[in-house]
Amino acid sequence: SQTIHQWPATLVQPVGSPLSLECTVEGTSNPNLYWYRQAAGRGLQLLFYSVGIGQISSEVPQNLSASRPQDRQFILSSKKLLLSDSGFYLCAWIPQWTGVWETQYFGPGTRLLVL
Amino acid sequence: AQKITQTQPGMFVQEKEAVTLDCTYDTSDPSYGLFWYKQPSSGEMIFLIYQGSYDQQNATEGRYSLNFQKARKSANLVISASQLGDSAMYFCAVGTNAGKSTFGDGTTLTVKP
Repeated sequence: SQTIHQWPATLVQPVGSPLSLECTVEGTSNPNLYWYRQAAGRGLQLLFYSVGIGQISSEVPQNLSASRPQDRQFILSSKKLLLSDSGFYLCAWIPQWTGVWETQYFGPGTRLLVL
Repeated sequence: AQKITQTQPGMFVQEKEAVTLDCTYDTSDPSYGLFWYKQPSSGEMIFLIYQGSYDQQNATEGRYSLNFQKARKSANLVISASQLGDSAMYFCAVGTNAGKSTFGDGTTLTVKP
């Protein structure tokens, strides 16, 4: 069966510090991968998605970046965190997109607080 | 661009009664999918139900049903026989190309005993 992992679960970082959040998927190959951010009391905002190794599409311009160094690994990074980067970060995956919709499978999320 | 509107920030329902959570959407894509997710206080996103834009029949999954009115661009979630464990935040989402989803801001449902 497929599982998705995210770490760390929670993170408290000072403004201006770097960030690296990791997401890995097991039990599938060549998935589409997604990074979402959720502000308190709000819906999910798509940040990045990837259809394959090294292929990253950015949905919202900001000081965050994403990378996919391996087929089932998706990393969210920042060189210098801002207060506005605080939120709940969710990674999600679907099997390779074939034009047929199915649910995205979400990881447990990372709660980031920037102070 | 897609947009999802959930007009009810908070809803209350008595245990064992039915409740409808509203969702309207705006998309220019001719083909799309509609999803509902539940997010308890733990933060996990739990998939509830899916409706394809070309599906003629409304989707049902156990106590969940989706009232899909394509002409009105609405996809309301109906929860029958509410349970205390249904208390959570509920999100409507529209899925488009590359499997991406656009989410609404959610409705917080509280089930009263």
